[in-house]
Amino acid sequence: AIRMTQSPSSLSASTGDRVTITCRASQGISSYLAWYQQKPGKAPKLLIYAASTLQSGVPSRFSGSGSGTDFTLTISCLQSEDFATYYCQQYYSYPGITFGQGTRLEIK
Amino acid sequence: QVQLVESGGGVVQPGGSLRLSCAASGFTFSSYGMHWVRQAPGKGLEWVAFIRYDGSNKYYADSVKGRFTISRDNSKNTLYLQMNSLRAEDTAVYYCAKDPRITIFGVVIMVFDYWGQGTLVTVSS
Repeated sequence: AIRMTQSPSSLSASTGDRVTITCRASQGISSYLAWYQQKPGKAPKLLIYAASTLQSGVPSRFSGSGSGTDFTLTISCLQSEDFATYYCQQYYSYPGITFGQGTRLEIK
Repeated sequence: QVQLVESGGGVVQPGGSLRLSCAASGFTFSSYGMHWVRQAPGKGLEWVAFIRYDGSNKYYADSVKGRFTISRDNSKNTLYLQMNSLRAEDTAVYYCAKDPRITIFGVVIMVFDYWGQGTLVTVSS
């Protein structure tokens, strides 16, 4: 199975900051990567797929990049509603989908 | 708007069985593949199973293969997950999720664009 490793596991930031979360695949996955946001007690929300395509309705301060094994999720100007846990997900080995372990974004 | 509502969770003993349901509305259920994804308490996400829009193909994570069965009734707009031989490690919130049926240059984009609120399954004696 393809293993997805996110870094950092957690980070603290302030509103208005620019933050970057990294996701690394154990083997090349082309651009077959998605990002999700999950708030406590809620279901995840799809943010980005195909590494850089923004899901409809997602604010443009979210962006994704990368291909092969290394990917990033960037939030350009943190808002209070962005503090959550973020997961990457690969679908290269469809249907053997796997997620990263998550990155918890907390208020500094 | 798209709504997915899971039910059927609860407490079950190891080795027991449970059937989860997911009632769908707000979209043409029979046109979309559907997934089950789970999340153990305080842990990350784990994909469990997928069924194509017409039920013709089903796929499972290795951790549940042979024990869980995904199915659907398109006449009732309902997705199911039959869980047998349950283990403590199956304890989790189970989400049903919709596949967006997107392809880009022939590549299937296997992601989850809508999720239910989840139903908790606890396997404990």
